[in-house]
Amino acid sequence: RKEVEQDPGPFNVPEGATVAFNCTYSNSASQSFFWYRQDCRKEPKLLMSVYSSGNEDGRFTAQLNRASQYISLLIRDSKLSDSATYLCVVNILGGGADGLTFGKGTHLIIQP
Amino acid sequence: EAQVTQNPRYLITVTGKKLTVTCSQNMNHEYMSWYRQDPGLGLRQIYYSMNVEVTDKGDVPEGYKVSRKEKRNFPLILESPSPNQTSLYFCASSPTGGSTNEKLFFGSGTQLSVL
Repeated sequence: RKEVEQDPGPFNVPEGATVAFNCTYSNSASQSFFWYRQDCRKEPKLLMSVYSSGNEDGRFTAQLNRASQYISLLIRDSKLSDSATYLCVVNILGGGADGLTFGKGTHLIIQP
Repeated sequence: EAQVTQNPRYLITVTGKKLTVTCSQNMNHEYMSWYRQDPGLGLRQIYYSMNVEVTDKGDVPEGYKVSRKEKRNFPLILESPSPNQTSLYFCASSPTGGSTNEKLFFGSGTQLSVL
């Protein structure tokens, strides 16, 4: 089983809609969680960290469900500029010296 | 400006011709790493370095070398490039590695084509 799994999409969503997608992780020792955003052929950039209590930043909300071992990202009132690939990143205690494991990303397309 | 600088941005070469992709960060970060990204495979780690003179293999190290003689620089070396190394490469750094590894700062990427 892969350590970090994401639905690759693409998710085609009309502008203004709310969209949510999940990322599941297999290692219960995972301790830190992040969402990165990557535009086509550009470098990934940190979107937000995911805390146990959840995290909200404007139109974006990230949640952690430790019992079911997944994190989620919800985007409200989606904009055309939200079109990108969203990478889930998990820091696994003992998961290699550098700790980080990347999902393959979920491709989101916001349509006018 | 705090940044990770990769060069070159684009590189076309031929099989067997040694090349180096440079990576430099100005944030005094201990941790640096190289990734390659291919369609459908996501980001895969090539090598990483926890500090000066400390380097370790990632998931796909074959055909690559790295060095970390100074804290700020982490070059990626392809001694004898082959077409299967055609890919988009990213360098990244963060303040620390291991269990405290959090925000990664990425370079802008190097698109390598090996003919």
